[in-house]
Amino acid sequence: EPEVTQTPSHQVTQMGQEVILRCVPISNHLYFYWYRQILGQKVEFLVSFYNNEISEKSEIFDDQFSVERPDGSNFTLKIRSTKLEDSAMYFCASSPGLAADTQYFGPGTRLTVL
Amino acid sequence: KQEVTQIPAALSVPEGENLVLNCSFTDSAIYNLQWFRQDPGKGLTSLLLIQSSQREQTSGRLNASLDKSSGRSTLYIAASQPGDSATYLCAVISNDYKLSFGAGTTVTVRA
Repeated sequence: EPEVTQTPSHQVTQMGQEVILRCVPISNHLYFYWYRQILGQKVEFLVSFYNNEISEKSEIFDDQFSVERPDGSNFTLKIRSTKLEDSAMYFCASSPGLAADTQYFGPGTRLTVL
Repeated sequence: KQEVTQIPAALSVPEGENLVLNCSFTDSAIYNLQWFRQDPGKGLTSLLLIQSSQREQTSGRLNASLDKSSGRSTLYIAASQPGDSATYLCAVISNDYKLSFGAGTTVTVRA
């Protein structure tokens, strides 16, 4: 069964460094998403992406975040200058359509900022 | 802003008992509601999706109901097994096309 994959599974970085989290969505899906879950808190929406541009973004998704689909298969989240409070589990998801379809989640990347 | 609440926060039952997990949301203008399972340190596994026009959805031992007008959904798990131990998350998509999650119900099924 097709699944969303994410790399790396765990990333440790120093505060102020740039990180890129990678995702390979399910191949025939059109909508891509990033969510994050700070330890012990709810899963929070960050951004949705369709047709090579951002569809929606939350107030969390400020100028230090960016997303890109550099080729036909990868979907990346870049954090330009990491802060301690960026430490969280980051989930990528994809869906065939926008509102009515199931979103399928990857296993997540645990980001630890020291 | 959509707020999703799940009650109870934790539940412990003996094997074989039926589970009832509750979810409520503040804005009834939703497109759909999705139930997920999350194992410790792992990703989210989609269990069921209920469209806003549907009243319930079933998959095996799982049944989810939706009362959109009152902002409630219930997930029933029949004849629970130790392998059902996990955190169950409810999430809704509203007009802004963003999934809003509840905090989850952590279920422990005792053998």
